[in-house]
Amino acid sequence: DSGVTQTPKHLITATGQRVTLRCSPRSGDLSVYWYQQSLDQGLQFLIQYYNGEERAKGNILERFSAQQFPDLHSELNLSSLELGDSALYFCASSATGEQFFGPGTRLTVL
Amino acid sequence: GESVGLHLPTLSVQEGDNSIINCAYSNSASDYFIWYKQESGKGPQFIIDIRSNMDKRQGQRVTVLLNKTVKHLSLQIAATQPGDSAVYFCALGGSQGNLIFGKGTKLSVKP
Repeated sequence: DSGVTQTPKHLITATGQRVTLRCSPRSGDLSVYWYQQSLDQGLQFLIQYYNGEERAKGNILERFSAQQFPDLHSELNLSSLELGDSALYFCASSATGEQFFGPGTRLTVL
Repeated sequence: GESVGLHLPTLSVQEGDNSIINCAYSNSASDYFIWYKQESGKGPQFIIDIRSNMDKRQGQRVTVLLNKTVKHLSLQIAATQPGDSAVYFCALGGSQGNLIFGKGTKLSVKP
């Protein structure tokens, strides 16, 4: 157990819908990272937050957004969903250096 | 840009043998390299890391070798066990503090 929790574990929704994925980092970790894992693209970095502030952006679509709250949990919002958004979404947290990954949310868009 | 590639998508070894998983990277400015293990239905799990000022680092049954001249990283697992069956990813530290992952090698251990 990495200490990072993610909910929900599975999410099934339809195209055009909006969903919110939630992540609670390890106690004391200020950084949260979001990654998308798909069969064709592998693990891709989406966005990082540090202590409530956006720190870095990767290959994140404009339809996607994230935030980190004062209690350090983070949410990833995915809107106008498309079939191609079906993937595993992981968050990771770190204090300095090593990133600890959560169990992921499997998103299926039908 | 930064990229990471794996030499082999799958590797099958006999239980008790040593496993070697290879990885190549393109960015010579990278100074942090990590190996992750991902079991089915789980998130990536940290195995071992190495900084560019080292060429070898050992953990418990695992060794990471870094060859900066040819931009090559390898993970050696000694006495491979059935519990080692998983997908192994190499990753390098990106310029934004994120991780850039390779495609992964699926290791299968035959009893």
